[in-house]
Amino acid sequence: SQTIHQWPATLVQPVGSPLSLECTVEGTSNPNLYWYRQAAGRGLQLLFYSVGIGQISSEVPQNLSASRPQDRQFILSSKKLLLSDSGFYLCAWSAAVNQPQHFGDGTRLSIL
Amino acid sequence: DQQVKQNSPSLSVQEGRISILNCDYTNSMFDYFLWYKKYPAEGPTFLISISSIKDKNEDGRFTVFLNKSAKHLSLHIVPSQPGDSAVYFCAALLRGNQFYFGTGTSLTVIP
Repeated sequence: SQTIHQWPATLVQPVGSPLSLECTVEGTSNPNLYWYRQAAGRGLQLLFYSVGIGQISSEVPQNLSASRPQDRQFILSSKKLLLSDSGFYLCAWSAAVNQPQHFGDGTRLSIL
Repeated sequence: DQQVKQNSPSLSVQEGRISILNCDYTNSMFDYFLWYKKYPAEGPTFLISISSIKDKNEDGRFTVFLNKSAKHLSLHIVPSQPGDSAVYFCAALLRGNQFYFGTGTSLTVIP
């Protein structure tokens, strides 16, 4: 069966520090991969999605970036975190764009 | 601009009764809709879906209704159980493009 792993579960970072969140999927090949952010009182906002290695689409301009160095690995990064980057970050995968997405357990990111 | 809206941030229901969660959308091009359930400190879990060519889909205690003319989606849970207490998100797919999520409704089922 397919599983998705996302880490760390919680992270506290100072403003201006770098960020790297990692997500890996097991049990499937060539998944669509997604990064979402849920800010307090808001819905899930799609940040990036990828349909293949090295292919990244950005939905929201910001100081975050994403990379897909391997088929089942998706990384969310920032060179300099802002206070507004605080939130709950979720990685997800799907077999196709019109299939349900399956989420990891998320990373609670707090910026101080 | 929130294209998918869940106007009730919270809902409380007695155990055994029906829970009705509502979702409204603005874009008539959405053609696939899903409901997710989310427990604290966990990612959302897919619950049930419906295509725009249908108006009802049922899976056990969960039924999703779609009213395209009203651009309205609802999730019915019957009978409600304490384990159903969670945040429920609706999501809509824009013609194979991307999913748009609502802001969520927190359901509390009172034993």
